[in-house]
Amino acid sequence: GESVGLHLPTLSVQEGDNSIINCAYSNSASDYFIWYKQESGKGPQFIIDIRSNMDKRQGQRVTVLLNKTVKHLSLQIAATQPGDSAVYFCAENFPGGYNKLIFGAGTRLAVHP
Amino acid sequence: DTAVSQTPKYLVTQMGNDKSIKCEQNLGHDTMYWYKQDSKKFLKIMFSYNNKELIINETVPNRFSPKSPDKAHLNLHINSLELGDSAVYFCASSQDHSDLEQYFGPGTRLTVT
Repeated sequence: GESVGLHLPTLSVQEGDNSIINCAYSNSASDYFIWYKQESGKGPQFIIDIRSNMDKRQGQRVTVLLNKTVKHLSLQIAATQPGDSAVYFCAENFPGGYNKLIFGAGTRLAVHP
Repeated sequence: DTAVSQTPKYLVTQMGNDKSIKCEQNLGHDTMYWYKQDSKKFLKIMFSYNNKELIINETVPNRFSPKSPDKAHLNLHINSLELGDSAVYFCASSQDHSDLEQYFGPGTRLTVT
């Protein structure tokens, strides 16, 4: 399943499928990006990050892709599990002065058995 | 062990009251943050302290006053509470102000009636 983030706030996938969550960021000068996962009733939890000098970074079952040309970030989750159900946020760092994370609107991922 | 803790978890109060939310981190981090998450899950930074010094102060009403008695604690005091202050408030910390990997607390749900 695939989401365009701000326009489709909920992404429903079947357990075992791959998920793709998309994010459009705002500042072409942003130099660092993070994906956070927020489960119901909890605080956001770091998943994976990527610097602007990279276009891909892989973690355990997750991959982040960065396309600076179109200011687009995506999070791919392989073999989605029920425990992946949460709201996912991308965040960008505005450089200059003190670092400050600016969060996107979030996408809810619902995993169905 | 809880890395970033907040008290209380829930806070229900009437308009016009003054309330405080407390945050503590046991990670030995130098930098702490307050974020506000509204009903649409939008997460926005309010303040950041580095080693007890205020370094980020977003456009927040001056009814909100953060206080950092030491680098492990960052409290948020809110005067003359308004209905629009209802939200979930998250505390976070990072190793220092150049480290963007932030660890979030569980949040405090504030409801103003």
